[in-house]
Amino acid sequence: EIVMTQSPVTLSVSPGERATLSCRASQSVSSNLAWFQQKPGQAPRLLIYGASARATGIPARFSGSGSGTEFTLTISSLQSEDFAVYYCQQYNKWSYTFGQGTKVEIE
Amino acid sequence: EVQLVQSGAEVKKPGESLKISCQGSGYNFITYWIAWVRQMPGEGLEWMGIIYPGGSDIRYSPSFQGQVTISVDKSITTAYLQWASLKASDTAVYYCARVVDKCIDHWGQGTLVTVSS
Repeated sequence: EIVMTQSPVTLSVSPGERATLSCRASQSVSSNLAWFQQKPGQAPRLLIYGASARATGIPARFSGSGSGTEFTLTISSLQSEDFAVYYCQQYNKWSYTFGQGTKVEIE
Repeated sequence: EVQLVQSGAEVKKPGESLKISCQGSGYNFITYWIAWVRQMPGEGLEWMGIIYPGGSDIRYSPSFQGQVTISVDKSITTAYLQWASLKASDTAVYYCARVVDKCIDHWGQGTLVTVSS
C-alpha cells in the first residue's frame, strides 16, 4: 500500500497570505494525485486532479504541482472560506490512499 | 446535476447488522465507479472500496476486506455498504463518491453510523 505523508500537520496563515501544503508518496504515483478540501461538518470537495488540473468551479488561487513522489498545493492568497483541512490522495495504484490531512487555520 | 444522496443517520448496538445506501442521479449511473470512504470521529479519510455498477466489479482496501460488503442495484441507481455484525469501532461517517478516471469528483453528504451499547 502506498503511504501518503502530508506536511505540515497544521499551517497557521493570515488572510491574504500564501499557503503551501506538501504531500509525499512512499513510491511514485506519476501524476495520479488529487487534493480535496473539507470544512467542518461537510463532505470533502475535489480541488485538484491529475496533480495540477483544477476541478470545475475551483478558483484560480488554488494550484497544484509535482509528479512522482513530491506534490504541492498552493493557495496564492488565502480567503476566509479557505480555512479548512486539505487532503491529498493517490489513485495510481490500488488500494488508493489518502494523506492524513493538513489543517489550515487563521494565524 | 450530479447528485449522490445517502441514507440517514443510524444508531445501532454492537453485533447488529446494517445496510446504508447511496442513490446516484443526474448522470449515467452504470458507467462510473462508486467509492465508499470512512471518516472516524476527528480523523482523516480512509478509502474502503469501489464498485462498478455496470458489471458489479468490486475491489476492497485490505483493511476492509471481509469487514464490509459493497453492492449495487443498478435498477434503482443505488449503491450499498453493509455490515453483518457491527462493532463500536465502526462508529464513523461514511461517504459514497463518484469516481471518474480513478479520481473522486462528487461526494455524497455522508451517513453517520453510531454503534453503542
